[in-house]
Amino acid sequence: DAKTTQPNSMESNEEEPVHLPCNHSTISGTDYIHWYRQLPSQGPEYVIHGLTSNVNNRMASLAIAEDRKSSTLILHRATLRDAAVYYCIPGGSSNYQLIWGAGTKLIIKP
Amino acid sequence: KAGVTQTPRYLIKTRGQQVTLSCSPISGHRSVSWYQQTPGQGLQFLFEYFSETQRNKGNFPGRFSGRQFSNSRSEMNVSTLELGDSALYLCASSLAGGPGDTQYFGPGTRLTVL
Repeated sequence: DAKTTQPNSMESNEEEPVHLPCNHSTISGTDYIHWYRQLPSQGPEYVIHGLTSNVNNRMASLAIAEDRKSSTLILHRATLRDAAVYYCIPGGSSNYQLIWGAGTKLIIKP
Repeated sequence: KAGVTQTPRYLIKTRGQQVTLSCSPISGHRSVSWYQQTPGQGLQFLFEYFSETQRNKGNFPGRFSGRQFSNSRSEMNVSTLELGDSALYLCASSLAGGPGDTQYFGPGTRLTVL
């Protein structure tokens, strides 16, 4: 099963970009890379996902390394509302989004 | 479109009792997954149902069971409750549970076992 490694926590200043790294060196060729975040006292919410190419949506950008062994979630301009735990999850046919690590706790400083 | 709903939101039980939690997925979603979240263990996958069949199962004892109905609504049951079962139980739905599908989570049911 694909496993991920993320920093336990990161700090950033409000209105600055944030780059959240994830290592998934054992990911298979058909596994998507999903990112979710969980705000305090809420269920996780979808942020973005991708397979091979970089992806953008209204919330964030996802940069996937060419060898797919790592990816980076980019929040272009962090706000206090972005303070949450961010999870990087491999999703494949054999272990669809079954393995959740501890995630990265993102702290935003005003 | 209405989101994933879970009932009840909070529950207090005593050891030895059993509990049933309910999850209503987003309309049109056929895959429902259940997770247990505790401060010490994080988010752990319990099981996934698709078209009334359990398709994936996590590493939990048989006291944890679930089912899915023809309208995709799902229930999970925990029998003979233990103190360690105190947790936030999350339900997530997706269209078909495929590798590229997005999961949409409910707010969770907070279970406290005394």
